[in-house]
Amino acid sequence: QMQLQESGPGLVKPSETLSLTCTVSGGSISSSPYYWGWIRQPPGKGLEYIGYIRHSGSTFYSPSLKSRVTISAYTSRSQFSLNLRSLTPADTAMYYCGGALDGTAAFQIWGQGTMVSVSS
Amino acid sequence: QSALTQPASVSGSLGQSITISCTGTTSDVGTYNLVSWYQQHPGKAPKLMIYEVTKRPSGVSNRFSGSKSGNTASLTISGLQAEDETDYYCCSFVGDNTVIFGGGTKLTVL
Repeated sequence: QMQLQESGPGLVKPSETLSLTCTVSGGSISSSPYYWGWIRQPPGKGLEYIGYIRHSGSTFYSPSLKSRVTISAYTSRSQFSLNLRSLTPADTAMYYCGGALDGTAAFQIWGQGTMVSVSS
Repeated sequence: QSALTQPASVSGSLGQSITISCTGTTSDVGTYNLVSWYQQHPGKAPKLMIYEVTKRPSGVSNRFSGSKSGNTASLTISGLQAEDETDYYCCSFVGDNTVIFGGGTKLTVL
């Protein structure tokens, strides 16, 4: 069974870039039937879709974040990453990585999440 | 794209059934049979309970079921148990390889 684990800084300054990594264990990210994405949740609020990357390397982003987001995959390391630029305090959230079976638009597997605070 | 609309809270008694609604538009719920539901306990990652409107992942109790009518999807939980008390989120494909979530519903088991 595939498992995901997020890693990255817990505190980032405004205007800087957030870089998070999701490490996948229990299978290959390139040969599995999943596509790999990121979802976030501000404290006390609901879930927000950020984007995902397919096996082909094609990326798709939420329209509201598209101008600031880059998702990349590193298949040899079984990792994929999230870069979010020009941070503001509104980007403070729990960030989850997830895997969704292609064609279902549903995230079947999730990491435990990593909390990111944006503050000077 | 606006978030899908869910009631902020619902409640039901032990053993009873409840339904949580998720209202979208013809651009999302009304067009695509790609509605999913997630259960999230405090401090935990969301757990997929229903996908493609009605399908249950392996290991999810058959007390959980999904349906859709027009622009509104629904999650029904039958035989309420204390462990069901938590937050639930709906999610829909909206085209262009994007999904949107509902605002979440807090379920209280009386």
